[in-house]
Amino acid sequence: KAGVTQTPRYLIKTRGQQVTLSCSPISGHRSVSWYQQTPGQGLQFLFEYFSETQRNKGNFPGRFSGRQFSNSRSEMNVSTLELGDSALYLCASSLSSGRAGLKDNEQFFGPGTRLTVL
Amino acid sequence: KNEVEQSPQNLTAQEGEFITINCSYSVGISALHWLQQHPGGGIVSLFMLSSGKKKHGRLIATINIQEKHSSLHITASHPRDSAVYICAVQDTGANSKLTFGKGITLSVRP
Repeated sequence: KAGVTQTPRYLIKTRGQQVTLSCSPISGHRSVSWYQQTPGQGLQFLFEYFSETQRNKGNFPGRFSGRQFSNSRSEMNVSTLELGDSALYLCASSLSSGRAGLKDNEQFFGPGTRLTVL
Repeated sequence: KNEVEQSPQNLTAQEGEFITINCSYSVGISALHWLQQHPGGGIVSLFMLSSGKKKHGRLIATINIQEKHSSLHITASHPRDSAVYICAVQDTGANSKLTFGKGITLSVRP
């Protein structure tokens, strides 16, 4: 079974631009979560999508948005980029089938997209 | 909001030593994750546990729900264990939101 994939792996943008990152979950997984990792703040939760709906949201400004498609693939978008948005963006997928049991919520991480804003 | 604290802050060990990394959290959770990240690398999930103890090779993870505390043990440490170890706790309820500790940088010298 293929793991979680993220594209692109590296991205360089300038301030004010916008960017779209993509995440393909493990086949059969319905939940996709997005995280931001920076040296200063560490890992922080951005949002979670489940069955094309945002199920949970972290404390990030509205410039950060996402969506999920019917095949569970997810994209996140950052508009009006700022220098502080430079980070590693990770997505993780989980089965989230609703069945009881720990395995249902086990998250599998992708390799991340490293975004540099100049 | 859950507060996740990890200790020690950074750790240097000699090859072969037994290593313990600790994680404490403030609010009840549905599960706790131990993650590993090598320099410049992605994140690998080592364990997810909600009670008791799990073992995988030289790694052992334990959790005490009452005390809101978990430990990750590495037996017979090796230089390839050098990485950042991150503890993350999962909210209760039907969601996957994780709250992360700052991570511990482990360096194992040959």
